[in-house]
Amino acid sequence: QSVLTQPPSASGTPGQRVTVSCSGSNSNIGSYYVNWYQQLPGTAPKLLIYLNNQRPSGVPDRFSGSKSGTSASLAISGLRSEDEADYYCATWDNSLSGRVFGGGTKLTVL
Amino acid sequence: EVQLVESGGGLVQPEGSLRLSCAASGFMSNNYWMNWVRQAPGKGLEWVANINQDGSEKYYVDSVKGRFTISRDNAKNSLYLQMNSLRAEDAAVYYCVAEDGRDFDYWGQGTLVTVSS
Repeated sequence: QSVLTQPPSASGTPGQRVTVSCSGSNSNIGSYYVNWYQQLPGTAPKLLIYLNNQRPSGVPDRFSGSKSGTSASLAISGLRSEDEADYYCATWDNSLSGRVFGGGTKLTVL
Repeated sequence: EVQLVESGGGLVQPEGSLRLSCAASGFMSNNYWMNWVRQAPGKGLEWVANINQDGSEKYYVDSVKGRFTISRDNAKNSLYLQMNSLRAEDAAVYYCVAEDGRDFDYWGQGTLVTVSS
């Protein structure tokens, strides 16, 4: 059972906007920045969003992040087939003195 | 180009030991926190341990405390994970991750650890 709760799956059609939620608590999301990672099939995860809502160089502006209280969200607009991947949220947890990941959300582009 | 190359994975019997290594290139790893993150087959990501720039701070997930030791050799631009008393639930792909808490966040391709008799 992950400390951060994500829906196990999400789906959308090309061009649609989808969101992935990540729910935590005051000891993690409520106190620290959130990162989002994209893991394409058979590859290592890649940083998608850092500091809640910042995009690394090279990440399309179709991807956006937000945080409110003890929850965070990743939004993907203009959905494309190549966005089909697993998405993970991550942050630090001061009760556990460790980094924590969400359980992951498998995004399917229909 | 930033590269992280893990090695040392393989098949080990329960209660056995294994030492993973991660060779960094294309950047000075002594400027960054280094992490080990694992992923069991078909499962999600699990952070295992991290170490600060000079090795004075180390943190571990509860399930590996007392069994795993993270270390680094900045002169060799390398990160290590000594894994003792391995259990079936430790079987996973282990990723080496370099990060600065901002946009510097790089992952290796991983090394597979299999625990089986």
